[in-house]
Amino acid sequence: EAGVAQSPRYKIIEKRQSVAFWCNPISGHATLYWYQQILGQGPKLLIQFQNNGVVDDSQLPKDRFSAERLKGVDSTLKIQPAKLEDSAVYLCASSSVAFTDTQYFGPGTRLTVL
Amino acid sequence: LAKTTQPISMDSYEGQEVNITCSHNNIATNDYITWYQQFPSQGPRFIIQGYKTKVTNEVASLFIPADRKSSTLSLPRVSLSDTAVYYCLVGGSFNAGKSTFGDGTTLTVKP
Repeated sequence: EAGVAQSPRYKIIEKRQSVAFWCNPISGHATLYWYQQILGQGPKLLIQFQNNGVVDDSQLPKDRFSAERLKGVDSTLKIQPAKLEDSAVYLCASSSVAFTDTQYFGPGTRLTVL
Repeated sequence: LAKTTQPISMDSYEGQEVNITCSHNNIATNDYITWYQQFPSQGPRFIIQGYKTKVTNEVASLFIPADRKSSTLSLPRVSLSDTAVYYCLVGGSFNAGKSTFGDGTTLTVKP
């Protein structure tokens, strides 16, 4: 079974530029998550999708971050404009719809904002 | 939202059993307890999940007391490759997104 795919793996941009990350979840998984992980900290949930609807985006900085999951499959997370404090690893995870769903994580995208 | 507390770091030696405890005093009735392992430059990986008493799989055991306010991940006979960060996550599938990762426990296994 293929895992969660993310691209790119690494990205370096200047502050105030924009950037986009892509995630393809495990086939058949209805739930998709985007996390931000700052060095030395645990992952922080940014947004959770159930199919193509948003379940939780309470910690998403909506003035600069946006995410979509068209057709309920793959997803894109965008930052525009980026700030220095956005430097982090952005993790995508997916889970099936089950009572004790387990999250399966992708390898992440490491973003460096200069 | 169930908050979890874990030790920041632990050291062990190869071949020893390691127990990492997580406190979750405000766990809800329908919350499950899930442990993840994370290596550098990788996403977290599921280790084990439980609701109460004891759960065992091929890599670990999870002990949950009757009050469910804490849980202990047990790794038998650790090796150098078990050096990683371990996260305890509390939540249920219907509010899995409400679960919050803490800063985890960094386990260092020495030869």
